[in-house]
Amino acid sequence: NAGVTQTPKFQVLKTGQSMTLQCAQDMNHNSMYWYRQDPGMGLRLIYYSASEGTTDKGEVPNGYNVSRLNKREFSLRLESAAPSQTSVYFCASRARGYNEQFFGPGTRLTVL
Amino acid sequence: EDKVVQSPLSLVVHEGDTVTLNCSYEVTNFRSLLWYKQEKKAPTFLFMLTSSGIEKKSGRLSSILDKKELFSILNITATQTGDSAVYLCAVVTNRDDKIIFGKGTRLHILP
Repeated sequence: NAGVTQTPKFQVLKTGQSMTLQCAQDMNHNSMYWYRQDPGMGLRLIYYSASEGTTDKGEVPNGYNVSRLNKREFSLRLESAAPSQTSVYFCASRARGYNEQFFGPGTRLTVL
Repeated sequence: EDKVVQSPLSLVVHEGDTVTLNCSYEVTNFRSLLWYKQEKKAPTFLFMLTSSGIEKKSGRLSSILDKKELFSILNITATQTGDSAVYLCAVVTNRDDKIIFGKGTRLHILP
């Protein structure tokens, strides 16, 4: 099992460019999450999906959109990147009824 | 609004010292509290606590939950340089599947 995978690992964008961060899990988990982590800010929830076909906003959804394409995949899209979106992005998944989240390796995004 | 507060935000101690990290929370429909260790990459799971007063232990690390006072502590005894990391506390709620993280405690162990 690969667990939770994220692509790309690193990305540099110019202000105004768009891109999609990909996340997939092979553990048959129902719930998937996108977080951003900035220095001194811990993990802040952007969006989450409790099951295939549903998505909900977290703490900091502005500037992002998500798609739960199927049970395995949950993508995060930046339509018009801004320097304030420079961060490390983590995807995570969790099985229904269980507490532990499994995290992907992260994507380091820099917006110039 | 649900929130998780960790203290201190950063801590520097010498190898061999004992440290106590704190996590307090205010959430509705509490289900469990999780501790994670984060070094350079993704967080790795340490403990899950659901019941008050029952200590979870793994080697030099231990944790306990107080559901009446709404806090948890993570203890690390005989610290080693490999314990240097950010320690994250998170609370799982029964409502809408959210998990709320604190800002973390950055622990640095001096040799």
